[in-house]
Amino acid sequence: DTAVSQTPKYLVTQMGNDKSIKCEQNLGHDTMYWYKQDSKKFLKIMFSYNNKELIINETVPNRFSPKSPDKAHLNLHINSLELGDSAVYFCASSTVAGPDEQFFGPGTRLTVL
Amino acid sequence: AQSVSQHNHHVILSEAASLELGCNYSYGGTVNLFWYVQYPGQHLQLLLKYFSGDPLVKGIKGFEAEFIKSKFSFNLRKPSVQWSDTAEYFCAVSAGSGYSTLTFGKGTMLLVSP
Repeated sequence: DTAVSQTPKYLVTQMGNDKSIKCEQNLGHDTMYWYKQDSKKFLKIMFSYNNKELIINETVPNRFSPKSPDKAHLNLHINSLELGDSAVYFCASSTVAGPDEQFFGPGTRLTVL
Repeated sequence: AQSVSQHNHHVILSEAASLELGCNYSYGGTVNLFWYVQYPGQHLQLLLKYFSGDPLVKGIKGFEAEFIKSKFSFNLRKPSVQWSDTAEYFCAVSAGSGYSTLTFGKGTMLLVSP
């Protein structure tokens, strides 16, 4: 009965590599998000998609490229990984792109060595 | 743009103690307010939310929060905490009725000792 799922749960990689994190929601929601949680637990929005279209890009480096093949999926691809990319990345979804509860995935802990 | 301030980074309580976690936001217009909880090793879950109406909001697990517009505050309360309430608590705000991002505070780590 997983609502928002992410894979992988853990990702350890070397600097300079390219990696992807996948997110899927089975709630029938229209809007999906990516958040980054840093080592001090601070959560910051990165991207928001509504019906497969990008609606928010919070000054994230171009190395980060979200892709939404359909409403239920929002994947995050990261090129040329840097040490500062180490964080926990959370995917979330909501019914509408407005004031509504967001449902979060379990997170992907990315460690860049 | 809106911002959120949580006053305490760490709170340590004994079981059965009362809890109040402070949250203030800065935004001049209509806001929607949320408290999320993150138990150790788990994802964020919604505790409660305020959109409009009664400013005293009741959530899950005995938590409640009060929206005081004049103070730009949305403090979280629980009369008697349990060991299982040990978690990180995040206050969040979104602006208006249209699309806006959810802005989180920096979180408060609550440790409840048995």
